[in-house]
Amino acid sequence: DQQVKQNSPSLSVQEGRISILNCDYTNSMFDYFLWYKKYPAEGPTFLISISSIKDKNEDGRFTVFLNKSAKHLSLHIVPSQPGDSAVYFCAASARVGGAQKLVFGQGTRLTINP
Amino acid sequence: DAGVTQSPTHLIKTRGQQVTLRCSPKSGHDTVSWYQQALGQGPQFIFQYYEEEERQRGNFPDRFSGHQFPNYSSELNVNALLLGDSALYLCASSLVGVVDTEAFFGQGTRLTVV
Repeated sequence: DQQVKQNSPSLSVQEGRISILNCDYTNSMFDYFLWYKKYPAEGPTFLISISSIKDKNEDGRFTVFLNKSAKHLSLHIVPSQPGDSAVYFCAASARVGGAQKLVFGQGTRLTINP
Repeated sequence: DAGVTQSPTHLIKTRGQQVTLRCSPKSGHDTVSWYQQALGQGPQFIFQYYEEEERQRGNFPDRFSGHQFPNYSSELNVNALLLGDSALYLCASSLVGVVDTEAFFGQGTRLTVV
């Protein structure tokens, strides 16, 4: 049972344009959502997050949008840069008695073309 | 400030053997979670340790066990290795009780079972 889904395994975007990565979830108990970026041979690096009480969070070039009714979130990167090429994971969390357990999507490989 | 460190970085084991992976959390963190990332998939939650006890467990067999030491570092043990245990094993640390915050990941241990 895949509770968090990233339906696009890959995405290719021109440098300077907007990259939009999508994520869907099924569990209504999730109350915190995160995006991680992963380069080869490295662990995931935290990028941006959003609480379920918000519908938008912005940090520099990165914006995450949350649509709770549709159980959908998206990550916008603008403008896209070559260094943004990586695998992006969407993760959702439901706190159970303390620290969070993260449920990850399958990842989307983003390639930024010069 | 040292981040999450894992050892070893790579490991090759024979089917049926046992393996121990190690993790030191980020300074100031008291909770360690372990994840398994198979090729082409997102990380999957194995279990979480806090105060030297297993607090949450994902859908993994009892062959997977762990330990947390008084200094918050942790070990993941896998017995009776199967070919399907070949994966990247990630350790993440966080601080219990701090809500809506990201988990920090190590670089992972690449385990190959032959």
